[in-house]
Amino acid sequence: DSGVTQTPKHLITATGQRVTLRCSPRSGDLSVYWYQQSLDQGLQFLIQYYNGEERAKGNILERFSAQQFPDLHSELNLSSLELGDSALYFCASSVEVLAGDNEQFFGPGTRLTVL
Amino acid sequence: QKEVEQDPGPLSVPEGAIVSLNCTYSNSAFQYFMWYRQYSRKGPELLMYTYSSGNKEDGRFTAQVDKSSKYISLFIRDSQPSDSATYLCAMSAFRDDKIIFGKGTRLHILP
Repeated sequence: DSGVTQTPKHLITATGQRVTLRCSPRSGDLSVYWYQQSLDQGLQFLIQYYNGEERAKGNILERFSAQQFPDLHSELNLSSLELGDSALYFCASSVEVLAGDNEQFFGPGTRLTVL
Repeated sequence: QKEVEQDPGPLSVPEGAIVSLNCTYSNSAFQYFMWYRQYSRKGPELLMYTYSSGNKEDGRFTAQVDKSSKYISLFIRDSQPSDSATYLCAMSAFRDDKIIFGKGTRLHILP
């Protein structure tokens, strides 16, 4: 158990809908990262937040947005869902960026299925 | 050319064999190199974390980085069935930078 929690575990929805994925980082971790994992693209970095502020953006679609709240939990919002958005979505967290090896600890993921 | 290339496998080897997993990359700015292990229906977990070129050993695992060839390797000695998983190489330019992952190699250790 990495200490990172994600809810829900599974999500089934229809095209055009909007969903919210939730992540709670490990206690004390200030950075949260979101990744999308699909069979054809592998694990793709979406976005990073550090202590409430957006720090880095990857291949995140405009239909997707994220935020990190004062209690450091994060939410990833996916809207106008398409079939191709079906994937595993992982959240990872790490300690303050200036310390140690910046190991990212991954949560168990949310499996999103868009029908 | 993709930033990180990794053979997807599957790679099947008998128990006790030495396993060699590899990745190549194109971005010479990468300085931090990682190997993650991912079991089915689980999140990736960090196995090895190295900076710049050289070797790092941790138990049965050895990571090698050759920056001149843009090539990294993970060796697993005395492989066990419990090592059966997908292994992802990953790298970043800076310690707090976004991580770029390979697509992963599926490894099967046959009892």
